[in-house]
Amino acid sequence: KAGVTQTPRYLIKTRGQQVTLSCSPISGHRSVSWYQQTPGQGLQFLFEYFSETQRNKGNFPGRFSGRQFSNSRSEMNVSTLELGDSALYLCASSRVNTGELFFGEGSRLTVL
Amino acid sequence: AQSVTQPDIHITVSEGASLELRCNYSYGATPYLFWYVQSPGQGLQLLLKYFSGDTLVQGIKGFEAEFKRSQSSFNLRKPSVHWSDAAEYFCAVGGAGGNKLVFGAGTILRVKS
Repeated sequence: KAGVTQTPRYLIKTRGQQVTLSCSPISGHRSVSWYQQTPGQGLQFLFEYFSETQRNKGNFPGRFSGRQFSNSRSEMNVSTLELGDSALYLCASSRVNTGELFFGEGSRLTVL
Repeated sequence: AQSVTQPDIHITVSEGASLELRCNYSYGATPYLFWYVQSPGQGLQLLLKYFSGDTLVQGIKGFEAEFKRSQSSFNLRKPSVHWSDAAEYFCAVGGAGGNKLVFGAGTILRVKS
């Protein structure tokens, strides 16, 4: 069974640009969550999508957005990038609503 | 507010020695508790979880954790550590009905031979 796939794995952007990250969940998983991981703030919840609807949202500015498609694949977008957005962005999928998450290897974003 | 505290940033143990990683949580309702492990350059992997029932839970790779409600703790243990256990360990708390987790800052485990 294929795991959670995130693309791209690494990317470099400059301040002011925008970025789109993609996540393909495990087959049959309808929930996709996104987390930001930084050395200073640790792991922070961004948002969760279930059946194309945002179910939960973390405390991030509106520059961070996401969506989920009918095949459960998800994308997240960050607009007007700031230096502080440099982080590892982790996607996790789940079949149930209990916190049992299966994580991808992440997309490492560097903002210059 | 929900929070998770992992008091130890780094822990070093000898291979074959026992291990205990500490976790304290604050959560307003019945907590769902988790331990995840992250190897360098990898995503997180679920080690074990506690929802209800028996307060001692078994996980993968020989790990176990004990839920103590009176102490708001969920410490992770392993009787004999292997070099391959070197990684970063995260305790997390959530609730019913969603996958929004609050993670602790993590504990980096180093294993010396």
